[in-house]
Amino acid sequence: QKEVEQDPGPLSVPEGAIVSLNCTYSNSAFQYFMWYRQYSRKGPELLMYTYSSGNKEDGRFTAQVDKSSKYISLFIRDSQPSDSATYLCAMISNRDDKIIFGKGTRLHILP
Amino acid sequence: GAVVSQHPSWVICKSGTSVKIECRSLDFQATTMFWYRQFPKQSLMLMATSNEGSKATYEQGVEKDKFLINHASLTLSTLTVTSAHPEDSSFYICSASWGTDTQYFGPGTRLTVL
Repeated sequence: QKEVEQDPGPLSVPEGAIVSLNCTYSNSAFQYFMWYRQYSRKGPELLMYTYSSGNKEDGRFTAQVDKSSKYISLFIRDSQPSDSATYLCAMISNRDDKIIFGKGTRLHILP
Repeated sequence: GAVVSQHPSWVICKSGTSVKIECRSLDFQATTMFWYRQFPKQSLMLMATSNEGSKATYEQGVEKDKFLINHASLTLSTLTVTSAHPEDSSFYICSASWGTDTQYFGPGTRLTVL
C-alpha cells in the first residue's frame, strides 16, 4: 500500500461550484499535512499547513484532517477558472522528517 | 509507478564542506528533473531545471557555482552544495517528469550545516 494515495483526476467542475480534493494515507506517524497548488511549468505553492485534526480555513480554502480515518481534504468554495491547477497533498512524519507527496489531482474549473 | 528517491534523506556537515544529494527515478526515465528548496512552512522554491545531457537552467538568484547540478542519465540527477554554510541548511526536494507537466516528487533531503 502506498503511503499517500491521491486520485490524479482530471476533475472538471463548473465555475462557482465547491471543489473537494482528498488524500488518504497509511502511516500513522504523519503529523503535518500540507496542500500545494501547482500551475503548469511552475513550482508548487504552499496553500495550507496544518498539524491537527479538524478544519482550518483560509479565505475560500478549507483544509480538513481526520487522523482517525487517515483522510485529509481540501475544499475550495466559489471556484474560479484561476483555480485550475494541480493540487498536491503532502505529509511529514514525526519520526524521520521525510516529506511524502501525493501524485497530485488535476483540477479544471469550467467558465 | 513513478517513484522518485533521494539519497541521503538527512545529512549533517561542517561549514565549508561540500555535500552531494542524489535524485533517482526508479521506474521511469526522467527527461527533466527539478530541484527545489523548502524552508519550514513555506512554498517550494524552484532552484533549477535540468534536462538529461544538458546544462541546468537556474532560477534568478540561485548561484550556479554554489549549487552544482548534474543530470548525467535519464534516471539520475545530483545536486552538490559546495562550501556549505549554515544558511544553506534546508530541505532540498527533487522532482522528475518525462515530457508531461506532471512532476513526481522525491521525499526530500534534509541538510544541516554546522
